[in-house]
Formats: sequence, structure tokens, C-alpha cells
Amino acid sequence: DTGVSQNPRHKITKRGQNVTFRCDPISEHNRLYWYRQTLGQGPEFLTYFQNEAQLEKSRLLSDRFSAERPKGSFSTLEIQRTEQGDSAMYLCASSLEAWQGPNEQFFGPGTRLTVL
Amino acid sequence: TQLLEQSPQFLSIQEGENLTVYCNSSSVFSSLQWYRQEPGEGPVLLVTVVTGGEVKKLKRLTFQFGDARKDSSLHITAAQPGDTGLYLCAGATSGTYKYIFGTGTRLKVLA
Repeated sequence: DTGVSQNPRHKITKRGQNVTFRCDPISEHNRLYWYRQTLGQGPEFLTYFQNEAQLEKSRLLSDRFSAERPKGSFSTLEIQRTEQGDSAMYLCASSLEAWQGPNEQFFGPGTRLTVL
Repeated sequence: TQLLEQSPQFLSIQEGENLTVYCNSSSVFSSLQWYRQEPGEGPVLLVTVVTGGEVKKLKRLTFQFGDARKDSSLHITAAQPGDTGLYLCAGATSGTYKYIFGTGTRLKVLA
């Protein structure tokens, strides 16, 4: 399978625990994005990497959230001291920088987080 | 703050009917994408439009980008139950790589 993969697909945790999600982008894609989606809403942008550099972070990304892409390939999103409001689907997308043409993103299946 | 408004929010129709979903903004986009998302899955890219006035067809789906690149529409001809899902539009402005998503249109096609 050459698409974007995310692990785990589901995570249930207790309030106050830390969780980490992983995203493996399409292999030749140098751009990687994290989004959060709550029920009935469209995805909201969280952060963006070009290769290993984190170039943009949303104000939605509080100090409890951190994302890394150490070697410019896979990425991790960690949430510390989870709160019930963190319950959502966390989506990862990747794209290939194109000198001409649009920046087309391809999404993974998401990780659904439930904080009890 | 850039906003993408989609209408209608919900649509329930009978198999064989036609429908149009709208995506509107006050911002100008360098490109706009349409996705379909099924429950528990990530959005799947349907089409990308970049030129004002552009029309793209994907089988029974017709996508149009507004002349001013501020709005878009998705028209489905002879809807089928397999078209059921959440349809999302997403726009990117020039100079940024992130996409702003609309709130979505949830379509249900009844057999």
C-alpha cells in the first residue's frame, strides 16, 4: 500500500495521560500536515512540515501539543495531559512540492482519540 | 479569518435525482479541492481546480471554480447510494500551503 498510513487507528485514554500518534506519508512526499476534525465539522489545520522543518503551527496547537518529523519522513503528534476536549479525529496528509501546478494533499485514515 | 461556507449542510435525496453543493468564500484561492469522506475514514481527494471558470468532470460529478476564484460548486447527476458521504471543499491561498476546509455537506442518497 503506497498511501498515507496512520497508527493507531483508535486510541482511548484517560484524562491526564499522554498519547502519541504516528503518520507515515507517501514516500516521495516532502510536505506533511496534521489536522483535527470534530464530529460534524471539516478538518482544522494544526501544523505543517516541509521535510523536517515545522514551518507553520496553528493557534489551535496549545503547549500540550507537539509534533516532530525528525528525518523528514514519518511524523509524530504528541498530546500531553489529555483533556476531554482533545477527543477528535486526528488526520495526517502529505503532498509533493510541485514547481508548477497545485499542491494536492492526500489524507490518511486518521486516528480517532477518545479521552474519558 | 478565512471562511469557507458550504451549503446545504445536509441533503437527503432519492436515487436518480440531481443535486448541487456550493462552496463560498470572500477570499480568493489559488486552488480549491473537493473531497469525499466516509465515516471513520480520512477525506479522499476528488478533484483540484486552479483556474477561474474551470470546469472538471469526473463521471457523474461536475466541478466548477468561480471566475473570481472565490467559490465553487459540485453537481452530481443521477445520484446513487454510493455517492452518500460528507463532501468537503478546501481552499489554499497564494503563498501558503495549508488548506482551509469548509464545514461540509452531508449527502444521503436513498435507494
